[in-house]
Amino acid sequence: EAQLVESGGGLAQAGGSLRLSCVASGFSFSPYSMHWVRQAPGKGLEWLSYIITSSNIIYYADSVKGRFTVSRDNAQNSLYLQMNSLRDDDTAVYFCARVKGPTLATHYLDLWGQGTPVTVSS
Amino acid sequence: QSVLTQPPSVSAAPGQKVTISCSGSSSNIGNNYVSWYQHLPGTAPKLLIYDNNKRPSGIPDRFSGSKSGTSGTLGITGLQTGDEADYYCGTWDSSLTAAVFGGGTKLTVL
Repeated sequence: EAQLVESGGGLAQAGGSLRLSCVASGFSFSPYSMHWVRQAPGKGLEWLSYIITSSNIIYYADSVKGRFTVSRDNAQNSLYLQMNSLRDDDTAVYFCARVKGPTLATHYLDLWGQGTPVTVSS
Repeated sequence: QSVLTQPPSVSAAPGQKVTISCSGSSSNIGNNYVSWYQHLPGTAPKLLIYDNNKRPSGIPDRFSGSKSGTSGTLGITGLQTGDEADYYCGTWDSSLTAAVFGGGTKLTVL
C-alpha cells in the first residue's frame, strides 16, 4: 500500500529550527514531484513548497521563503523540510503530499501523509 | 485571506444534496485544473476530484465536480453522516507560481 509518513515535528522555540522528514513506502518515490502543506490550528490548508523529481525546480510560498528549505533524497525515498527562524505562526500540522498530473496546470495531490505537529513557543 | 474563495460552511439533511463553490481568477482556476479534497481533523486529506471533474478509483459517484470560467463546484448527493468533514478546492496559480487552496468549507449533515 502506498504511504507517506511524516516525522520530526515537536516543540521548538521561536527563532529556532526543526527538520521534518517524509518517508515514502509502497511506491517508487523518485518519479514524483512533492508538496509540503500545513494547517494551523483552526485554519485551512496552506501550501508551503514544491520540489520536482530532480530537485532542479523548487517553489516556496512567500510566508516561508528564505526561512524554509525543501530537499529530497530519492535513494532514501525521503523528502525533507528544514525550518529555520521559526515563528509563533508556524505552529501547525505539516503534511507532505505526492503530486500527480503531467504539468503544474493540471496537477493534483493524490496521496497525503497523516501529518506531524509543530508547536513554536516564544 | 485565501486566493480561492469558498463558503465557510454548508449543511443539509441526510439523503439530500449540497454544492460547494470555489471562486478564483484567470491566473488560477480560469486556466488550470481544479481538484477537491476531503479532510477530517487528525487524518490525511483525501483526494475526491481531479482534473475538474474526474473521480479517483474508490470515490463514489455521489461526489462530482465541475468548472465554469473562474469557478469550480463540488457536488455531493445522497448525503451521509460520514460525509461530515472539511472540503478544500485547490489548483495552481500561474501568476503567483504557487499552489493555492480555498479556505475550506465545513459540511454538516443535520
